[in-house]
This record gives sequence, structure tokens and C-alpha cells, in this order.
Amino acid sequence: GAVVSQHPSWVICKSGTSVKIECRSLDFQATTMFWYRQFPKQSLMLMATSNEGSKATYEQGVEKDKFLINHASLTLSTLTVTSAHPEDSSFYICSADRYEQYFGPGTRLTVT
Amino acid sequence: QKEVEQNSGPLSVPEGAIASLNCTYSDRGSQSFFWYRQYSGKSPELIMFIYSNGDKEDGRFTAQLNKASQYVSLLIRDSQPSDSATYLCAVNNRGKLIFGQGTELSVKP
Repeated sequence: GAVVSQHPSWVICKSGTSVKIECRSLDFQATTMFWYRQFPKQSLMLMATSNEGSKATYEQGVEKDKFLINHASLTLSTLTVTSAHPEDSSFYICSADRYEQYFGPGTRLTVT
Repeated sequence: QKEVEQNSGPLSVPEGAIASLNCTYSDRGSQSFFWYRQYSGKSPELIMFIYSNGDKEDGRFTAQLNKASQYVSLLIRDSQPSDSATYLCAVNNRGKLIFGQGTELSVKP
């Protein structure tokens, strides 16, 4: 139990376009999901906390208008990277909270 | 001062040895602590969590917590080459996980 999926697992997009990443809790409901970003050889950095039915809470330094988060249901949160730039290329990981955080497999984003 | 600090390594140990990974944290009010293992290109997987001072053992892994010293460690006994990975220490801060930078462990056959 406690499986979290992400889609897509990897994506390549052109600079200026938008990309949507989905995070799903497959066998449990999660009122809270988290979005992290990880650059090569660095640790996970929390970007935002996503709460079902309310606005996401963003960490300091994360642009909420660039990284749009929608937690539409108890099993789905989406992260949209708008007007992506090469510096947004990173490994994006979500987690869903059920007594502890369960991590998705991650999405590798490459912006060319 | 970073909230969660780890020695980035790499830490190299021979197969069969004990690997010792250390982590310190700055928020004295932190209550729960986690160790994750992350293979290259993969997301973290939970190894252990610990809430109380002292030791907690699970198979070859032992987590140690000393809240007075704000120190948490992970011991891996009988290290195997498959244990080679980056180990992330995380501290729960008001429902959010704050990660250290990770320690890269290499177990040599």
C-alpha cells in the first residue's frame, strides 16, 4: 500500500512552453501533497505544500505564478511549470502525506 | 547555519564493514527524524524513522537519536555493494520535511 505515481517520468520541452506534472496517490487519499525539486548533486528542496481544496503554500523564493499547483482531489495534485526556461531543468518529486510522506518516482524535466 | 547538516562524503567502506552516517539539526523543537536512501536518478525511499532518544534497530540498520546534542545517525552493519547510494537525513519541521544535503556512500567489494 501507499503507492504514489507521477506522470510523466521524463519530459523534454522547449523554452517558453508549459509543462504539467501529475502526482497521484494510488491506494490512499491524501489531503496534503508536497512538491520538491532536486538539482544534480543537491538535496531535495521543498517547493510547495499542496492542500486539497485550497491554495498551495509556497516556500520562500519559489515563484507561485511560475509553478502552478492544483490539488483538485484527494488523490491528485498537479504542478505546472509555466514559460519554462533551461534553468528549470531539474528532477521534480512529489510526496503524499499519510502518517508519513510517500514519495513518487520523480519527473525529470529538461528544457531546451 | 543550515537547518539539517550532513557530511557530503563520499564515504567509502569495504564490504562487510559498518557504515556510520551522521546528521545534525538546528531546530531543538524537532520531534521526528527520517533516513532516506536515494539511488542515482531515483526518488528517495524511506529506511527508518525515529522519534525517541536512543537507538532503533531494523535489520542491518540502526538509527540513533540524541536530542540534547541535536544529532541523529544511521549505522549500516554488514555493508553490501547494493547499499551504495546517497543517504538523506530529514527532519520534520511542522509537518514539512527538511532534508540535509545527503551523504554519498560507496561500499567496495
